[in-house]
Amino acid sequence: KAGVTQTPRYLIKTRGQQVTLSCSPISGHRSVSWYQQTPGQGLQFLFEYFSETQRNKGNFPGRFSGRQFSNSRSEMNVSTLELGDSALYLCASRTDGRTTDTQYFGPGTRLTVL
Amino acid sequence: AQTVTQSQPEMSVQEAETVTLSCTYDTSESDYYLFWYKQPPSRQMILVIRQEAYKQQNATENRFSVNFQKAAKSFSLKISDSQLGDAAMYFCAYRSFRGGSEKLVFGKGTKLTVNP
Repeated sequence: KAGVTQTPRYLIKTRGQQVTLSCSPISGHRSVSWYQQTPGQGLQFLFEYFSETQRNKGNFPGRFSGRQFSNSRSEMNVSTLELGDSALYLCASRTDGRTTDTQYFGPGTRLTVL
Repeated sequence: AQTVTQSQPEMSVQEAETVTLSCTYDTSESDYYLFWYKQPPSRQMILVIRQEAYKQQNATENRFSVNFQKAAKSFSLKISDSQLGDAAMYFCAYRSFRGGSEKLVFGKGTKLTVNP
């Protein structure tokens, strides 16, 4: 079974632009979560989607948004990029959203904002 | 809010030796999950081991075991017979038991170096 995939793997953008990252969960997984990883702040939870609904959201500004499609694929969007948005963005999926499910991570998208 | 602290930014171990990574957490909840994740240089985060707080028995996965001290809010990871492939960043993480939400709270990580 294929793992969690994220596209693109690397992105370079300039301040003020917007960006969309994509995550395809493991087949059969309906829950997708997003995390931002930076050297200074570490790993921080962005949001979680389950069955196309945002179920939980971290403490990030409204410039960060996401959505989930009926096939469970998820996208996150960052508008009006700032230098501080440079980070590794990780996506993780699990099966049906029960607390006991194991979460599987993708390889991440490395975003650089110039 | 829950917090997770890993006090050792870096650790090193000789191949075949044993190393213990420390993790403490703060929570007011009685039921929760604790995890150790490994992130090799390729950056794919991999689950190493998990522990349910209601279980008194410490979890074990092959060469990996934990020492879970609920009262002390401590959750250390022991790696036995260390191998070169164990070199990675190790993250301790907490997840609430309350139904539905998948939010993981991570520590800052410990970089483990394995010396041949």
